[in-house]
Amino acid sequence: QSVLTQPPSTSGTPGQRVTISCSGSSSNIGSNTVKWYQQLPGTAPKLLIYSNNQRPSGVPDRFSGSTSGTSASLAISGLQSEDEADYYCAAWDDSLNGYVFGTGTKVTVL
Amino acid sequence: QVQLVQSGAEVKKPGASVKVSCKASGYTFTTYGFSWVRQAPGQGLEWMGWISGYNGNTNYAQKFQGRVTMTTDTSTSTAYMELRSLRSDDTAVYYCARQLWAAPLDYWGQGTLVTVSS
Repeated sequence: QSVLTQPPSTSGTPGQRVTISCSGSSSNIGSNTVKWYQQLPGTAPKLLIYSNNQRPSGVPDRFSGSTSGTSASLAISGLQSEDEADYYCAAWDDSLNGYVFGTGTKVTVL
Repeated sequence: QVQLVQSGAEVKKPGASVKVSCKASGYTFTTYGFSWVRQAPGQGLEWMGWISGYNGNTNYAQKFQGRVTMTTDTSTSTAYMELRSLRSDDTAVYYCARQLWAAPLDYWGQGTLVTVSS
């Protein structure tokens, strides 16, 4: 049971900008940094964003993260066909003393 | 380069146990821990717990406490996850991922499909 809430799906045409929201609480997003993971079809998740807005080496700068209070967002600008995937937010939860994932958002490139 | 290679798919009967391995290479094993994450068919990611690669300390998600055991073998740079009393809803792909305590899961294994069926 996920404690971080994301929209089930979103879509866009190539070149568009899409955003994915992630809603949490004071015990997770409100007090710990947010990570985002990309899961391409049939593959393991991959770290996309850490520390709210930092990209690991090799992740294109089309991907950006932000937070505000107990919510976070992932933006994909200049959407490309290879961005079609599931995206998950995640954070440490102080109340659960564990790692929590979002419900996941499927991005479709039209 | 960092690699995490997991053991192969398993088919188990309800009530049985399964032990999945995760062999690490490309870095010093004891400087990182591991989280285990599972994903049921068509579902999202679920964190199961964490183990230190340094001293074997563990932190299990409440849902799995009493049913899961995570261990490491530093001599072979391998982490293990054992889940007992399997039920049909334990059918999932199980992933190991490298992680410092409460930090990002920066490298993932390829996943191990565990099917629980009578």
